[in-house]
Amino acid sequence: GQQVMQIPQYQHVQEGEDFTTYCNSSTTLSNIQWYKQRPGGHPVFLIQLVKSGEVKKQKRLTFQFGEAKKNSSLHITATQTTDVGTYFCAARTTSGTYKYIFGTGTRLKVLA
Amino acid sequence: EADIYQTPRYLVIGTGKKITLECSQTMGHDKMYWYQQDPGMELHLIHYSYGVNSTEKGDLSSESTVSRIRTEHFPLTLESARPSHTSQYLCASREVQGSAFFGQGTRLTVV
Repeated sequence: GQQVMQIPQYQHVQEGEDFTTYCNSSTTLSNIQWYKQRPGGHPVFLIQLVKSGEVKKQKRLTFQFGEAKKNSSLHITATQTTDVGTYFCAARTTSGTYKYIFGTGTRLKVLA
Repeated sequence: EADIYQTPRYLVIGTGKKITLECSQTMGHDKMYWYQQDPGMELHLIHYSYGVNSTEKGDLSSESTVSRIRTEHFPLTLESARPSHTSQYLCASREVQGSAFFGQGTRLTVV
């Protein structure tokens, strides 16, 4: 079945450093969503990207959807300790179902 | 704040018991999902529903069943719990525009 891979699996950064996680699919995606899960919590929706090459920003977070709609990235500028958690992408294939596949996740630790 | 609720939050149960995990949402969403997640790991789709009387199996093989008799209610039943079922179970509903709202989860331990 379709897989959505994320890299890296883990990332430790010093507070103030930047962080990027990448989401890659073997098939073309209809859209892609990003979620954040704090330790011990549940995933919380961050954003959805639909258009090829789309870039969206939320304060220090920048989200990008690849031109071929097969990959996406989330970049955090100047990380803070509140950014700690696991970031998941969730992809919907162009086959048109609402069956979203979650990526493998990137766990971010921010050292103060 | 999303209005999706899961009960119980924590459950410890013996092997072979039948259990039902409850999930309710008050947002009127047609699409609902059950995921299984081990600590710090990815989410695996177990079941999903596109509306009343519509249920589908997800990618994770599971000895569980679901029902969708009412829009707001999507319970998950394990007929015979086993230690391998120990995990966190997350319920979600999805609005028309696509974003999903998750419940707080049920942490299940089968002893």
